[in-house]
Amino acid sequence: DVLMTQTPVSLPVSLGGQVSISCRSSQSLVHSDGNTYLHWYLQKPGQSPQLLIYRVSNRFSGVPDRFSGSGSGTDFTLKISRVEPEDLGVYYCLQSTHFPDTFGAGTKLELK
Amino acid sequence: EVQLVESGGGLVQPGRSLKLSCVASGFTFSNYGMNWIRQAPGKGLEWVAYISSGSSYIYYAETVKGRFTISRDNAKNTLYLQMTSLRSEDTALYYCARWRYFDYWGQGVMVTVSS
Repeated sequence: DVLMTQTPVSLPVSLGGQVSISCRSSQSLVHSDGNTYLHWYLQKPGQSPQLLIYRVSNRFSGVPDRFSGSGSGTDFTLKISRVEPEDLGVYYCLQSTHFPDTFGAGTKLELK
Repeated sequence: EVQLVESGGGLVQPGRSLKLSCVASGFTFSNYGMNWIRQAPGKGLEWVAYISSGSSYIYYAETVKGRFTISRDNAKNTLYLQMTSLRSEDTALYYCARWRYFDYWGQGVMVTVSS
């Protein structure tokens, strides 16, 4: 199985600040069709996970442009600028290039 | 509006069975692969099972292989998870989600395995 290593585990932030979350995979996430199926999710307290970014850098419908994704191969980053209160929660990366699909362990974004 | 609504959870004794359902609406269910994902209390997300749009391809996590069965009824827009030989470590909130981007999730259904 592809191991997804997410860092940091916890990320204190001030409102209005900028943060980055890293996700590294144990093997390349480039699919034979040429796409890279690496996605990012936010799970707010008491809610289901919600898709933020799909295929590395594409914002899902309704996601503010404060969220951006980048990376390639095995190394990926989610950046959040101008952090707002509704951005707090746990962030997960997911790869769906190789079966089984695997999630990172999560990064908790919390107020300093 | 895309909606996924899970049901069928509850408290069950170890070794017993339970069947979860996920009813889909707002999209052409038969065009999409579907997944079950679970989250133990206070823990992260664990993918459980996948079924392709026409049920031709099915995959399971090693932790549930041989005990859980994923299936679907495209005429009823419904995804299922038959869980047998349940263990305490299967206690979790179970979500269904649309593949490949897991772009829509249900609200989750709680399964508690305890004597």
